[in-house]
Amino acid sequence: DGGITQSPKYLFRKEGQNVTLSCEQNLNHDAMYWYRQDPGQGLRLIYYSQIVNDFQKGDIAEGYSVSREKKESFPLTVTSAQKNPTAFYLCASRGTKAFFFGSGTQLSVL
Amino acid sequence: QKEVEQDPGPLSVPEGAIVSLNCTYSNSAFQYFMWYRQYSRKGPELLMYTYSSGNKEDGRFTAQVDKSSKYISLFIRDSQPSDSATYLCAMSLNYGGSQGNLIFGKGTKLSVKP
Repeated sequence: DGGITQSPKYLFRKEGQNVTLSCEQNLNHDAMYWYRQDPGQGLRLIYYSQIVNDFQKGDIAEGYSVSREKKESFPLTVTSAQKNPTAFYLCASRGTKAFFFGSGTQLSVL
Repeated sequence: QKEVEQDPGPLSVPEGAIVSLNCTYSNSAFQYFMWYRQYSRKGPELLMYTYSSGNKEDGRFTAQVDKSSKYISLFIRDSQPSDSATYLCAMSLNYGGSQGNLIFGKGTKLSVKP
């Protein structure tokens, strides 16, 4: 099946720890995105990548980092600089007419 | 004023009702308009996609765009309990490139009671 796979489904972060969220797609899409969703806040753009080896900051990039070494993969690292990381994280890729989303990762702080 | 405004609800209707969901926006340059449905703790899935103004119908769903009023709507006919979800509107200036990034509303939570 073609789609976007996010893992893990649930992730817990300890104080001062960096954690990485995985996003893989087999849709052959060039552009990929990371969004953060908080209750009642809608989706906010963290980072996006239009092509391999290139990425841009979104509206709330502070405390996050990404890489795009392969077309299929766009991992997101939540660094210790992100003081309020608890949220639902969604990865997406852009098709010809719409964005396609993964099933999300819920990140919580221990 | 936020770029996209959407009433968060919650909205509760009886099964079989017609549901109207709406978003207003401030940037008159938006051209692409989408509606996504999101079940709890799942990724959003595309329901409707509209370019510029007009209506689009797909089964029980109708999307309307009124660019003169900067207002978009999603109508659900014969609503079902399985329609219970959060509905997100999204829009963009272009499709592709840096201006193709979607701007989302906060979502309206809909509950359809049997």
